[in-house]
Amino acid sequence: EPEVTQTPSHQVTQMGQEVILRCVPISNHLYFYWYRQILGQKVEFLVSFYNNEISEKSEIFDDQFSVERPDGSNFTLKIRSTKLEDSAMYFCASRGTGRGYTFGSGTRLTVV
Amino acid sequence: AQTVTQSQPEMSVQEAETVTLSCTYDTSESDYYLFWYKQPPSRQMILVIRQEAYKQQNATENRFSVNFQKAAKSFSLKISDSQLGDAAMYFCASLFGNEKLTFGTGTRLTIIP
Repeated sequence: EPEVTQTPSHQVTQMGQEVILRCVPISNHLYFYWYRQILGQKVEFLVSFYNNEISEKSEIFDDQFSVERPDGSNFTLKIRSTKLEDSAMYFCASRGTGRGYTFGSGTRLTVV
Repeated sequence: AQTVTQSQPEMSVQEAETVTLSCTYDTSESDYYLFWYKQPPSRQMILVIRQEAYKQQNATENRFSVNFQKAAKSFSLKISDSQLGDAAMYFCASLFGNEKLTFGTGTRLTIIP
């Protein structure tokens, strides 16, 4: 069964550093998403991406965040200057023309 | 605003017994989808079951079934013959017209051997 692949599985970074979280969505999917889950809290929507542009973003997705689909297969989330409160599990998801989401296994980001 | 509410932070059930997890939602949309996701300690999000709002028949996947009450905006998950591997956080989620998932706060399910 096709999978959404996320790398790395765990990243530790110093506060103020830039991080890039990588995702390879399912190849024929058209819609891509990033979600975030702070430990012990619910999963929150960050951003959706379609046709090479952001289609919707939440209030969490401020200027320190950006997304990119650089080469037609990867989908990246960049956090420019990490803060302690950015520590969370970040999930990538994709879907095709139907409503079925497929989530990746997540990247655990720890900011120290 | 569209919301999803899970009122049970924790539930426990004896192995082989049946447990029901509750979820309510609020929307003015007529076309939407509802999901239950399982999150084990690995924190991966695993789709358990989904329900299309236009379908009256309740979805079933092996030991997992839902009780979808559209008028009451209720979407509960029933797990039959509970197994130790069912222990996890369970999240109810909805997909309304704007295509992004809205999650509840989760229910931690413990299976008692």
